[in-house]
Amino acid sequence: EVQLVQSGAEVKKPGESLQISCKASGYSFTTDWLGWVRQMPGKGLEWMGVIDPGDSDTRYSPSFQGQVTISADKSISTAYLQWSGLKASDTAIYYCARLGRRTYYLDYWGQGTLVTVSS
Amino acid sequence: QSALTQPASVSGSPGQSITISCTGTSSDVGGYNYVSWYQQHPGKAPKVMIYEVSNRPSGVSNRFSGSKSGNTASLTISGLQAEDEADYYCSSYTSSSTLYVFGTGTKVTVL
Repeated sequence: EVQLVQSGAEVKKPGESLQISCKASGYSFTTDWLGWVRQMPGKGLEWMGVIDPGDSDTRYSPSFQGQVTISADKSISTAYLQWSGLKASDTAIYYCARLGRRTYYLDYWGQGTLVTVSS
Repeated sequence: QSALTQPASVSGSPGQSITISCTGTSSDVGGYNYVSWYQQHPGKAPKVMIYEVSNRPSGVSNRFSGSKSGNTASLTISGLQAEDEADYYCSSYTSSSTLYVFGTGTKVTVL
């Protein structure tokens, strides 16, 4: 059974750094892309970017380029989303999801990680 | 890369059919048959309802159907039920470096 299990909720202060994770199981981690999606409170889904865990090729949406870092460790089938200086506007739920390499749809989703940034 | 355009809200009575549009460009919706649709209930992760324009994953009701004409894709929900009340998002592969793009989202209300 394919599963994407994300790390737990975080509460941080502005300016702090943070890394959240997404551990994949039930399939070959390098077969498909792994994407990250932001959902701010009461708002829609926003595509942040995606990584090919096989070679770490990473593509960012222009809105998130330079704001976050997406990485992956194929030895432990885990993808990461990292911030070096959080802002209050980063408060949101972050989802990871598998993007089929040949089908280009998000067939499996993590449960979401709530990140709250507040002073 | 701009988000695909969807109506903010659509409503219908139980048993009726509704259609949600999703307008993009020739670099995404119009150029590829990689349009998908997601349903999201409050507090839940999104769930794919349609992929590759008109294909339904196993387990998704055949009341959900998808189509595309030019740069606009559509999701039709027939025989509307109370459980269909949710937010719906279209998405597409894009030839831009970002690889993927979502729509702005549509809130479906069952009257």
